[in-house]
Amino acid sequence: QKEVEQNSGPLSVPEGAIASLNCTYSDRGSQSFFWYRQYSGKSPELIMFIYSNGDKEDGRFTAQLNKASQYVSLLIRDSQPSDSATYLCAVRSNFGNEKLTFGTGTRLTIIP
Amino acid sequence: DAMVIQNPRYQVTQFGKPVTLSCSQTLNHNVMYWYQQKSSQAPKLLFHYYDKDFNNEADTPDNFQSRRPNTSFCFLDIRSPGLGDAAMYLCATSRWRGESDTQYFGPGTRLTVL
Repeated sequence: QKEVEQNSGPLSVPEGAIASLNCTYSDRGSQSFFWYRQYSGKSPELIMFIYSNGDKEDGRFTAQLNKASQYVSLLIRDSQPSDSATYLCAVRSNFGNEKLTFGTGTRLTIIP
Repeated sequence: DAMVIQNPRYQVTQFGKPVTLSCSQTLNHNVMYWYQQKSSQAPKLLFHYYDKDFNNEADTPDNFQSRRPNTSFCFLDIRSPGLGDAAMYLCATSRWRGESDTQYFGPGTRLTVL
């Protein structure tokens, strides 16, 4: 079983709609969760992180965490063509551990 | 602007010819990481430095070595590159180990092995 799983996609969403990206993880001791965006041929850039159950909003992005279900998601509201990229979910197993485990990413395409 | 810089951005080498990739940071972060990322795959951690302490991943081939001469710089040495080592190499930094500490990536070096 992979430690961090994401639907590889591609996920196609019409412009202006909500894009929903999902991630599950296997380590119950995981504490911090990160979403990175990676454009083709570029390096990952941090969108947001979350470590408490519930929702965290930042502009058009909302991260949702459910530790009981070992599930973290990223919602992108009012999707724009510039949101077309691969989204990587990353998990840190416990506080004091500086390593991240990455999922393979979900490729998102926003259709104009 | 504080940032993570990688040089070169593109590196072409021949099979078996040693190559060194460079990473520098102006963030004054304690931790520096090297990842290998192949197409459509997750970044794979090769090793990281926590200050001067070197931490090697168990499955990192011996062909890969690293040096961190000071806080700002970290190098990745590939002693005898094979065709399977062609990939994007990403350097990242993080400040500490706090719950909200994040990793910030440099632009990457695309390595081609002929």
